[in-house]
Amino acid sequence: KQEVTQIPAALSVPEGENLVLNCSFTDSAIYNLQWFRQDPGKGLTSLLLIQSSQREQTSGRLNASLDKSSGRSTLYIAASQPGDSATYLCAVRGNTPLVFGKGTRLSVIA
Amino acid sequence: EAGVAQSPRYKIIEKRQSVAFWCNPISGHATLYWYQQILGQGPKLLIQFQNNGVVDDSQLPKDRFSAERLKGVDSTLKIQPAKLEDSAVYLCASSLDPQTLYEQYFGPGTRLTVT
Repeated sequence: KQEVTQIPAALSVPEGENLVLNCSFTDSAIYNLQWFRQDPGKGLTSLLLIQSSQREQTSGRLNASLDKSSGRSTLYIAASQPGDSATYLCAVRGNTPLVFGKGTRLSVIA
Repeated sequence: EAGVAQSPRYKIIEKRQSVAFWCNPISGHATLYWYQQILGQGPKLLIQFQNNGVVDDSQLPKDRFSAERLKGVDSTLKIQPAKLEDSAVYLCASSLDPQTLYEQYFGPGTRLTVT
């Protein structure tokens, strides 16, 4: 059974810092991994999708990497801003429905 | 392009009452999903449709939950009767076919409180 773990559960950083969010999964037989952002009381916004054949994806200040063999992904956020404050969720898609981690709650302090 | 639409946004009901949620996916998306997100948890898939057929409903509590997708477009999720533990956000998502390769796009969710 696929299990997804995100560390840390919560993170508070000053504005301008670069930061890394971690995601690990137990079954490496995945099709893709997706990072989402969720603002309080809102739905999920897709940030990056990495196919199993890819190593990384970039969008603006965000970079996500995937090491399928070790069951890990990282989301790197450069030059963090208060507007980045949200919960970040990773989810993996394999022979099971999309399985989510519990998320990392990020606070960027101005 | 318009996103995934859901209604209502909020609903408060008493236990043992019934409730229904509605979802309109992105135009052209064949695959539709309903998720349940309990506070502090990641979303959990309840049911997945491919057009108007059910692909996966293994985690749907079928004694009280039901869902349908008429004409392969809009979908409704119903709970009858509701229990306190059903309090959660119900998220609808859609994706292009084949669903294993394409991103899922989520609606804003319906926050259900059962008292």
